[in-house]
Order: sequence, then C-alpha cells, then structure tokens
Amino acid sequence: AQSVTQPDIHITVSEGASLELRCNYSYGATPYLFWYVQSPGQGLQLLLKYFSGDTLVQGIKGFEAEFKRSQSSFNLRKPSVHWSDAAEYFCAVGAGNNNDMRFGAGTRLTVKP
Amino acid sequence: GAVVSQHPSRVICKSGTSVKIECRSLDFQATTMFWYRQFPKKSLMLMATSNEGSKATYEQGVEKDKFLINHASLTLSTLTVTSAHPEDSSFYICSVQRGGNTEAFFGQGTRLTVV
Repeated sequence: AQSVTQPDIHITVSEGASLELRCNYSYGATPYLFWYVQSPGQGLQLLLKYFSGDTLVQGIKGFEAEFKRSQSSFNLRKPSVHWSDAAEYFCAVGAGNNNDMRFGAGTRLTVKP
Repeated sequence: GAVVSQHPSRVICKSGTSVKIECRSLDFQATTMFWYRQFPKKSLMLMATSNEGSKATYEQGVEKDKFLINHASLTLSTLTVTSAHPEDSSFYICSVQRGGNTEAFFGQGTRLTVV
C-alpha cells in the first residue's frame, strides 16, 4: 500500500521568506500526488496535484511542487510566504481506481511577522 | 461553490448516545465516499470507504459496529457513531472523488465532543 512521510512536523518562516515543505512517498507504481491545506477547524483545500506530465506543477495561492521520481519526493514550495499561509499542510498519495488516499502526518506552518 | 456538504459542523453529545453525521455530494453522483478521522495535531486517518448500495469497507482497527456507515443514495453517505464515549471525540471528515484518481473534495468536517 502507498504511504507518505512528511519529515517536518512544524516549520516557522518569516513573512516574505521562501518556503519548502518536504514530502516523501512510497508506492510501487506511478503515484498520484496531492498537497492539501487545512485551516484550523476546517476541511481540506487542494493546493495542487500531480498525475503525469510536467513534473513541476503549479497550484493555487502561488504554490508549486516538483515530482522527483528518483527521490520519491513531492516537495511543496512558495517563493514568498504571506501571513495568511499559516496553516497545516498535508501531502497525500493516491493509487488505484477510486481508491483512498493516504495522508502524511502534516506540517504546521507558522509565519512570523 | 461547495462540492461536498457535511453536517453538522459541530455536535456535543452525552456518553452513551448516538450521533449521525451526513456527507452530501452536491455536484455529482458518488458511488464511493470516504470517511476520515483526525486527532488533534494529527493527520487524517482513513476509517472506511462508503460504497453506494453495499456494505462499507472498514480499515483495520475500526469498529464497524460502532461506526455505522450507510450510503443509501449516490449523493448521501452517513456516519453514525453509536454509544459514543469521550474517546470518540474527534474531527470527522468525509471526502468524495469523481472517479479514478482525480481530486478528492472534502467536507468541512464535524467536530464531535462527547461529554
């Protein structure tokens, strides 16, 4: 079965600084990869997804992620963080038809003024 | 607009009572819906896959007699927490996928507190 690891539980960055959130996955075939953001007490919002094609994918709110098969990674990046980006970020991997997704443990992002 | 509607958003119940949570797919018919549970400061844990017209598929360690899932129509799945205990207090989220490995749409979640 597929699995996801997010090594960083909590990251703090200054507003305006760049951001990279790490995600490593484990799956035997080509994975379907997602990044979601969750604000406190809320559901999840999709930031971006990778199914195939260009390994650098652009998402909403200025986020991007790069799929690196050799490293089994799908790291999320943003060149300049805004205070409103403070939230919990989840990487997820899906596999199979109509199959469930497996989520990483999440990375909590704090943005300093 | 919202693709998935989950209700209620918050519920407080007494120990021993049952609570029903609804998940509605607003934009398309969903033969499959997923129920997740999220502990404080933890990731989402898949509880079960809800299948329209048939029994739900539960993940290992999830008590099917405690967490009753009904998917009677293509747009509605319900999760009933039976004989609730304080340890059942959690954030429950449902999701819907159009099919294949497309994006999953999540409900806003239900905060259950059992007192």
